[in-house]
Amino acid sequence: GQNIDQPTEMTATEGAIVQINCTYQTSGFNGLFWYQQHAGEAPTFLSYNVLDGLEEKGRFSSFLSRSKGYSYLLLKELQMKDSASYLCAPQGSTLGRLYFGRGTQLTVWP
Amino acid sequence: EAGVAQSPRYKIIEKRQSVAFWCNPISGHATLYWYQQILGQGPKLLIQFQNNGVVDDSQLPKDRFSAERLKGVDSTLKIQPAKLEDSAVYLCASSLEGNSGNTIYFGEGSWLTVV
Repeated sequence: GQNIDQPTEMTATEGAIVQINCTYQTSGFNGLFWYQQHAGEAPTFLSYNVLDGLEEKGRFSSFLSRSKGYSYLLLKELQMKDSASYLCAPQGSTLGRLYFGRGTQLTVWP
Repeated sequence: EAGVAQSPRYKIIEKRQSVAFWCNPISGHATLYWYQQILGQGPKLLIQFQNNGVVDDSQLPKDRFSAERLKGVDSTLKIQPAKLEDSAVYLCASSLEGNSGNTIYFGEGSWLTVV
């Protein structure tokens, strides 16, 4: 089976840094995706990690430890528009299937 | 490049009625997915197609849900008869292939309310 755990809610202020953690247990693993989902909109791709370590992409970075079943998404220089749900999605080894967590609702305050 | 197109955007039906959703994936994408997202939860895979063949429908409630992808392009998802607990957003998504590392792109979703 699959078990994905991430915090339900987080809050932060503009300009701050926030780290959203995700732990997972999946039957087979071939990488981990992070998606951003604004209310009423489709999830949009943020990052993909297949090897251990940190992947940096502008204000967003994502880290993976395969041995620990752990990932985090780091958001720097927060902006109001970053208020959204962030979905952790490990990818199974068969058929490329994504397993989604419940998402972390991030609220950025001015 | 056009994204994943879905229709209708919103639908309200009474329980026991039927509903159908349509999806047109990104051009050239062989793999198509239907996900169900209940409010406050992450998306749950209902069915995955590779071209016009089903590769995973293990979580599709087959007594009431059906899906097809004729000609390996567009797809339809049908619910008959609908139940109150089917109220959710139905997300269609596509990727180049159903392999590791291929990014999955989502449509804006079809919002279903069953009353």
